[in-house]
Amino acid sequence: SQQGEEDPQALSIQEGENATMNCSYKTSINNLQWYRQNSGRGLVHLILIRSNEREKHSGRLRVTLDTSKKSSSLLITASRAADTASYFCATGTFEYQGGKLIFGQGTELSVKP
Amino acid sequence: SAVISQKPSRDICQRGTSLTIQCQVDSQVTMMFWYRQQPGQSLTLIATANQGSEATYESGFVIDKFPISRPNLTFSTLTVSNMSPEDSSIYLCSVGERDTNYGYTFGSGTRLTVV
Repeated sequence: SQQGEEDPQALSIQEGENATMNCSYKTSINNLQWYRQNSGRGLVHLILIRSNEREKHSGRLRVTLDTSKKSSSLLITASRAADTASYFCATGTFEYQGGKLIFGQGTELSVKP
Repeated sequence: SAVISQKPSRDICQRGTSLTIQCQVDSQVTMMFWYRQQPGQSLTLIATANQGSEATYESGFVIDKFPISRPNLTFSTLTVSNMSPEDSSIYLCSVGERDTNYGYTFGSGTRLTVV
């Protein structure tokens, strides 16, 4: 079953603009991860934030986590055409569910040159 | 992080036949996961495969339809049995360890079309 919702489902922006994607989840978590998928191929891990962290940065990526609202956001700054892909959040509750990840619905990002 | 080789990358199969998908990991891992991604959808976990024990299936997935083998710590197979067009999806394997900062690694996926 899916963990929660992501919004928007699709996002179209111009190169150089920032892109923000949101993810909500339903259960208590140990961590939340963001992945990118190009053209229906394998997923690439972008960033992981633990339940005791509120914000994390990696290059042009910024992730926030609000456990009280059970939500997270992914910000991609200064977007590039190469950022065009589907982005998924995934939650991990390792201590209780044997390490599996539960994925959100995903956001399809299109960055126009 | 681990590197996964997943085969085949794509296949077109006849209704009623079976397809076995293989994942080979370049290091020993405790847990392997199999996901299904239906067209235009997100990933749904099929089962968790641990070496030396039977796979644990998620609700809606059964062993008769998706038998899984895990003969050692670097290899696993997923079979899609008695296929129908509804089984047309991308199937992905994944490996990960508890308490990792590096996320999970995914195979490149198998795009299955059942005709």
